[in-house]
Amino acid sequence: DGGITQSPKYLFRKEGQNVTLSCEQNLNHDAMYWYRQDPGQGLRLIYYSQIVNDFQKGDIAEGYSVSREKKESFPLTVTSAQKNPTAFYLCATTPLPGLSTGELFFGEGSRLTVL
Amino acid sequence: AQKVTQAQTEISVVEKEDVTLDCVYETRDTTYYLFWYKQPPSGELVFLIRRNSFDEQNEISGRYSWNFQKSTSSFNFTITASQVVDSAVYFCALSDTVGKLIFGQGTELSVKP
Repeated sequence: DGGITQSPKYLFRKEGQNVTLSCEQNLNHDAMYWYRQDPGQGLRLIYYSQIVNDFQKGDIAEGYSVSREKKESFPLTVTSAQKNPTAFYLCATTPLPGLSTGELFFGEGSRLTVL
Repeated sequence: AQKVTQAQTEISVVEKEDVTLDCVYETRDTTYYLFWYKQPPSGELVFLIRRNSFDEQNEISGRYSWNFQKSTSSFNFTITASQVVDSAVYFCALSDTVGKLIFGQGTELSVKP
């Protein structure tokens, strides 16, 4: 099946630990995005990548890191520097950068809880 | 700065009622895109519509309709004869020139039988 796979779906972490969320896509889309969702605040952009081996910070990049070594993969690491990491994380893709050709396609999300 | 405001945090209606979700945006770009997404309890966002800034025609798709008014910077979404399956969080979003989406806070719609 074509689509976006995020894993794990649920993750618990102790304070001070880094954790990596996986996002894999087989849609052959160029651009990939990570959003964070908090209740009452909508979605906020963490990082995005429009091409392999290149990525840019979004609005709330502090405490996060990403890599884009392969077109189909865009993992997000939540580091211990992130002050409030408990949230729902959504990965998205789009065929070409700029959204001029269509919409974002979303994965099912990963819910991170820091204990 | 670009911004999207969905002033309605929660709306509750009874099945078969019509309901309108409001969306107001701010941008200095002359070319932009507006979107609506639906987020059911499963969490995945589902695309509903995309509208570019040069096309102010209203659009209807089944029970869904959208009213885009550039003069008031609004892109409202109406569900006619609502159904329980319409219960979800709905997000309005605005694109910038590099393809990022700026989302509103979301409106949680509850349709009761």
